[in-house]
Amino acid sequence: GENVEQHPSTLSVQEGDSAVIKCTYSDSASNYFPWYKQELGKRPQLIIDIRSNVGEKKDQRIAVTLNKTAKHFSLHITETQPEDSAVYFCAATKNDYKLSFGAGTTVTVRA
Amino acid sequence: NAGVTQTPKFQVLKTGQSMTLQCAQDMNHEYMSWYRQDPGMGLRLIHYSVGAGITDQGEVPNGYNVSRSTTEDFPLRLLSAAPSQTSVYFCASSSQGQGGGYTFGSGTRLTVV
Repeated sequence: GENVEQHPSTLSVQEGDSAVIKCTYSDSASNYFPWYKQELGKRPQLIIDIRSNVGEKKDQRIAVTLNKTAKHFSLHITETQPEDSAVYFCAATKNDYKLSFGAGTTVTVRA
Repeated sequence: NAGVTQTPKFQVLKTGQSMTLQCAQDMNHEYMSWYRQDPGMGLRLIHYSVGAGITDQGEVPNGYNVSRSTTEDFPLRLLSAAPSQTSVYFCASSSQGQGGGYTFGSGTRLTVV
């Protein structure tokens, strides 16, 4: 099955700086890569996703890049704000309904 | 739309007891899944369903059963609870046309003593 590795496990950034989280996947057939944000005590929520026919996607301060050859994808958060503090999960799948998640990255934005 | 509704929110079980975690969605989604979340291990897939009457095992299915008699409901049954099943359980649903963007329920925090 698919194996997704996520790094780093924790990330502390100064408010206003950028944050980058990287994930690698094992199954070259995977074609859908969503990112979820989970605030403390809450449910995971989809924040951005990308399909394998696209190399980059942006939504305001967040962006995701995908390198199919290297089998890795990354989440970029620019101009970080305190409300960006949360746990972020990457995921990968080849069939839309069977997501494999990374272990998560705890992001702390320092004021 | 209520989205994905999970009950109960909290549950304490004794070792060996059985129980059912309920999950319902009102979005007419074809896909439904159960995940468990443990510290440092992300979300691990227990069972999933691609439609009514169709279920399959995920990464960590042992000790759990599911059924999908209707599109709306996808209950998770713990057959004989063990301390290793202490976790937070999330149900999620997605539509085939939505491209895999799962909507999660609010979770059930289960403690087995």
